[in-house]
Order: sequence, then C-alpha cells, then structure tokens
Amino acid sequence: DTGVSQDPRHKITKRGQNVTFRCDPISEHNRLYWYRQTLGQGPEFLTYFQNEAQLEKSRLLSDRFSAERPKGSFSTLEIQRTEQGDSAMYLCASRKTRMGGDEQFFGPGTRLTVL
Amino acid sequence: SQQGEEDPQALSIQEGENATMNCSYKTSINNLQWYRQNSGRGLVHLILIRSNEREKHSGRLRVTLDTSKKSSSLLITASRAADTASYFCATDAITGGGNKLTFGTGTQLKVEL
Repeated sequence: DTGVSQDPRHKITKRGQNVTFRCDPISEHNRLYWYRQTLGQGPEFLTYFQNEAQLEKSRLLSDRFSAERPKGSFSTLEIQRTEQGDSAMYLCASRKTRMGGDEQFFGPGTRLTVL
Repeated sequence: SQQGEEDPQALSIQEGENATMNCSYKTSINNLQWYRQNSGRGLVHLILIRSNEREKHSGRLRVTLDTSKKSSSLLITASRAADTASYFCATDAITGGGNKLTFGTGTQLKVEL
C-alpha cells in the first residue's frame, strides 16, 4: 500500500454513460497526476495538478474528460459520454515537490470497462 | 506516446537466476525510474537514478544509466517467484516540465520455481 487510494477499483458502464473516479493522494503531497494504461502498454500521462491548479493536459485528454482538485487534496476524473476506446486502467499518482524525493507514488488504479 | 522501449518484452527464468532488463529512451532526462506492476494492480516504485549517476543499488536491484546512449538496465539478482511481474522504466524529461513520467512498454518477467 503506497498511501494513495482510488475509488472505485472497478467500473463497468455502458457506452454513452458518464463516469467519475476519485483519487486520494498522500496527504502532504502537493502534486497529483493522472495516467491511463491500456492492456499490454505502459501508463500514459493525462494531466497533473500542483495543489488545486491544473497545470498541464495531454492531448490524450479529449473534451469529454475533465479533472478537478478543488481543495488541493483529493482529485476527480470524469469521463462524459464514454466510448469503448475509453476502456483502460486509470492510475493516479502523487509526489511532494519540496523536501521530497522525485518518485511518484501510484494508487491501485480504477479499471474501466465500457460495454 | 511511449518514449521508452524495454527489452526484452518478455523474460522467463528459473528461481535463483539473475534477470536483466534494458530500457532505451529518446530525450534528455532529469532522472529515470523503474517500477514494478503485478497483474492488474498499481505500480510500485523500485529505484530512481539521476542523470548524473551511473549506477545505483537497492537490495537485490542494480540499475545502470548511460546518458550518452540514452539507455538504462535493471538487474535483479537471485530472483524469486515473487519477482514475477511487469517492469517499466519511466523517464522524467528535462523539457516539458511538471516532472510527468513517460513510460516504456514494459518487460514481463516470469520467475519459475
């Protein structure tokens, strides 16, 4: 257990539905990242937050995706009008930028299946 | 997009043997990190090596970094069945900012009894 939690661990939805995932980082970590991993591939960067500010979004993050970190603590990732191509593992990671190491600590992931 | 490539894609060895995995990348980096992932689970951080380091050890792990060749290797000595997992290298590039990681495609390691 790295200290980063994600909820839910598994989500099955029908195409066209909206889904929301939550990530709770390690409490003193000011930076939070979202990655997506498809079967047989390494994780790919989606977006990251410094405290509550979303500082970068990958072009993988289409308009149907939105992420928030309202109080600089937990974060949510919402996918609207899901498509079968959204099926993947969504991973959250956190790190501390001051007086911390450079490693990122990953949560267990949320596996999304879009039928 | 995937920056790194791990080699081999799959590796099967006997318990007690050493396992070596290689990683190549494309851009200048701040550091390179290795992660382990058990099937369907999250990633566990193994070791980080900075761009000004050439070799690093942690327990049964040894990592080397050659920035001139843009490559790294991970050696697991005296492997155990519990080491069976996928191993990924991830680079923190100098350009781009945010210390976001770019992962390779991974090496699937199977350690048999």
